[in-house]
Amino acid sequence: NAGVTQTPKFRILKIGQSMTLQCTQDMNHNYMYWYRQDPGMGLKLIYYSVGAGITDKGEVPNGYNVSRSTTEDFPLRLELAAPSQTSVYFCASSYSIDPGGTDTQYFGPGTRLTVL
Amino acid sequence: AQSVAQPEDQVNVAEGNPLTVKCTYSVSGNPYLFWYVQYPNRGLQFLLKYITGDNLVKGSYGFEAEFNKSQTSFHLKKPSALVSDSALYFCAVRDTKTGFQKLVFGTGTRLLVSP
Repeated sequence: NAGVTQTPKFRILKIGQSMTLQCTQDMNHNYMYWYRQDPGMGLKLIYYSVGAGITDKGEVPNGYNVSRSTTEDFPLRLELAAPSQTSVYFCASSYSIDPGGTDTQYFGPGTRLTVL
Repeated sequence: AQSVAQPEDQVNVAEGNPLTVKCTYSVSGNPYLFWYVQYPNRGLQFLLKYITGDNLVKGSYGFEAEFNKSQTSFHLKKPSALVSDSALYFCAVRDTKTGFQKLVFGTGTRLLVSP
């Protein structure tokens, strides 16, 4: 049981390039999330998903896209990378049988992205 | 909107002494509160949560947190700090606006435990 895994661990992009951050969980969780962590700012929610085929925007979705074709995978796509997207990105997952659940979120190790 | 505040950017404590990391919250309705810890170059790890019941919540690694409704606080505590407790600690509250499990995080408090 690996939990939540993320690839790559580090990446440097040039302005305007695109890339996909991969996230996979093997806990059969229905909820998955993408956060970004900026220094001194805590974590901000980018997108989340409540199940395969269902995604929704979080607080800071601009410049990103997601898809959820399977329960396990929740990739985050950056189109036209900008310096403002330099950050550490965390994927997380949780399980709940109802929307009002209060279950623990499990985090991946993060991807450190620099856009130059 | 739901929010949490962590008033201290950094807390310094000597090993063996008790530690407190502060968190205050602002919510409409019943608060669902969490503490997470982040070690260097790692993802966040769950420590404990308060949903309902006893005001003193016990969690992982000997940590506990005290829920105080009148002071709208949820401070993290440990009776005897270890050097290995040095890390970044985040308080979070569940956002009930949409009914989904979105967490709103504080800005984090860095705990430094000196030998």
